[in-house]
Amino acid sequence: QQQVKQSPQSLIVQKGGISIINCAYENTAFDYFPWYQQFPGKGPALLIAIRPDVSEKKEGRFTISFNKSAKQFSLHIMDSQPGDSATYFCAASRASWGKLQFGAGTQVVVTP
Amino acid sequence: DTAVSQTPKYLVTQMGNDKSIKCEQNLGHDTMYWYKQDSKKFLKIMFSYNNKELIINETVPNRFSPKSPDKAHLNLHINSLELGDSAVYFCASSPLLTDNYGYTFGSGTRLTVV
Repeated sequence: QQQVKQSPQSLIVQKGGISIINCAYENTAFDYFPWYQQFPGKGPALLIAIRPDVSEKKEGRFTISFNKSAKQFSLHIMDSQPGDSATYFCAASRASWGKLQFGAGTQVVVTP
Repeated sequence: DTAVSQTPKYLVTQMGNDKSIKCEQNLGHDTMYWYKQDSKKFLKIMFSYNNKELIINETVPNRFSPKSPDKAHLNLHINSLELGDSAVYFCASSPLLTDNYGYTFGSGTRLTVV
């Protein structure tokens, strides 16, 4: 069964708008929550990651919000640009497990 | 310099054939992985190796056999290919088995079985 549930499946946002992608998990043993960005024909690339001891992490236009009690985390892309058009994956892991459990992905399209 | 490189990028083959995909990383990482991305883009781990030792085999059919000659290389051999094996296969590496932060993926190998 899928351990990380991601929504929405796809998202269209205008240039300059905010893209928001949500993920939920069940396993409280997870201790690492990364987001990956994937362009067509390329492998996923780490965008930003958070550990459960903080509630928010910001890197440039990308922010992760983390709600430990609700077992949810989200990615906000501020001032979205056409170059941000890609598929975004949330993931979860526990360090000792050595593997990432991925969400199903969200295709983001930023219109000019 | 490509950090994680896979060859070939595209592979088209007939059902029943045997094929291999090669992966090399120049990051000095200890751990390497194979992930499968299906037609709906869902990513799922298949194998992980730590310093040439198999750590994870995620209920993958026996037709798939990974081989790690050294910690910089992890190859994937697939016997008796089936239509359902069509997917994109990604190699990845991370610094340590217990350190996921430096996870780096290759560009993928698109396998099409006809």
